[in-house]
Amino acid sequence: GAGVSQTPSNKVTEKGKYVELRCDPISGHTALYWYRQSLGQGPEFLIYFQGTGAADDSGLPNDRFFAVRPEGSVSTLKIQRTERGDSAVYLCASSQSSSGVGELFFGEGSRLTVL
Amino acid sequence: GENVEQHPSTLSVQEGDSAVIKCTYSDSASNYFPWYKQELGKGPQLIIDIRSNVGEKKDQRIAVTLNKTAKHFSLHITETQPEDSAVYFCAASTGTYKYIFGTGTRLKVLA
Repeated sequence: GAGVSQTPSNKVTEKGKYVELRCDPISGHTALYWYRQSLGQGPEFLIYFQGTGAADDSGLPNDRFFAVRPEGSVSTLKIQRTERGDSAVYLCASSQSSSGVGELFFGEGSRLTVL
Repeated sequence: GENVEQHPSTLSVQEGDSAVIKCTYSDSASNYFPWYKQELGKGPQLIIDIRSNVGEKKDQRIAVTLNKTAKHFSLHITETQPEDSAVYFCAASTGTYKYIFGTGTRLKVLA
């Protein structure tokens, strides 16, 4: 079946604008993660969903960042009042594991550029 | 919190030679150590993982070793091929969903 799908693949916006990044996980995967990857760095944890609820949002850098997963499938990462420092690749991953440990299946990412 | 250091940041090897990438972690409670391969424009993909009750694991040309006492683990790729060229990330987890990734190693296999 299809892997994790992320849209848009590229997003260029101006400082101060609002953006939404969408993730469509592998069907049946209850665990969903958002990571942020800056140039030359490893993925950095942002938020973890188990089902519809955010089990851990401790990685969100500040209150401009918010993510939802209303029906336990598709998730949207929302960034308000974007800043140049938000520029990065935002990776979504899903997993079958209910404990959280196990293979993460990553999408290709959404590259966000804030001018 | 957990900190994972990864070395080297870049590695060039001749085709057919071996490549070794090393990681150290700080949290002695970490018990799960996956390795991911990321090709240009793609998301990371799991290539091998190891749990703390095992010292070594091998899958064809890829092997991972774990030294819990020293808190380090390594990825070994033998008989390297051009398609092994990519960025490799190690990660550590204390058995929860929160993986801490290293900063990555860019491997170039020269034909």
